Amino acid sequence: AQTVTQSQPEMSVQEAETVTLSCTYDTSESDYYLFWYKQPPSRQMILVIRQEAYKQQNATENRFSVNFQKAAKSFSLKISDSQLGDAAMYFCAYSHAGGTSYGKLTFGQGTILTVHP
Amino acid sequence: DTEVTQTPKHLVMGMTNKKSLKCEQHMGHRAMYWYKQKAKKPPELMFVYSYEKLSINESVPSRFSPECPNSSLLNLHLHALQPEDSALYLCASSQEEGGGAGGRTDTQYFGPGTRLTVL
Repeated sequence: AQTVTQSQPEMSVQEAETVTLSCTYDTSESDYYLFWYKQPPSRQMILVIRQEAYKQQNATENRFSVNFQKAAKSFSLKISDSQLGDAAMYFCAYSHAGGTSYGKLTFGQGTILTVHP
Repeated sequence: DTEVTQTPKHLVMGMTNKKSLKCEQHMGHRAMYWYKQKAKKPPELMFVYSYEKLSINESVPSRFSPECPNSSLLNLHLHALQPEDSALYLCASSQEEGGGAGGRTDTQYFGPGTRLTVL
């Protein structure tokens, strides 16, 4: 079974600074996706970034980038130029790309990010 | 457009009531999901529909009854719930290839959720 581990229950960052959230996962599959989702106090789960396992290049979305280390099964999220609106719970998630898992997401326990002005 | 809508936003019900949650997407996605989420915890998968057929039931109690009337709509019928069922209920959808036989699936997009309180 796949597992996702987020070892940082809480993190904090000063506005305009950079912060990195950690995530490790375990799988025996070769074709899968990894995601970071953000959930602010409004509770809407918002996709931040997506990585396909067979792509070597790290995904980036504006101020958000990942460091994907497939051999080490590590998938960290870097937030640059942090903004107050980045404050939220961040979930790392894994899904097998095909087969009868039907895209079932395995989530980590989440990291609460606080942004200080 | 990656919008998934859910109604109602909030629902309060007694243990003897029958109510329904509704989810809708118009992205042409053929996989739809129900999740239950308790405060400060990750979402827990309840059901997956693939091409309007129930594909995964994560051993959910029968007081929760899902329904997929068409490819855009997903309902969750609630009956005789318990106070511990109070939670945020999230719907999600994703693209799926393969006609429902377990093809390639991609990113799940979530709705805003229904906050359910059972008295």
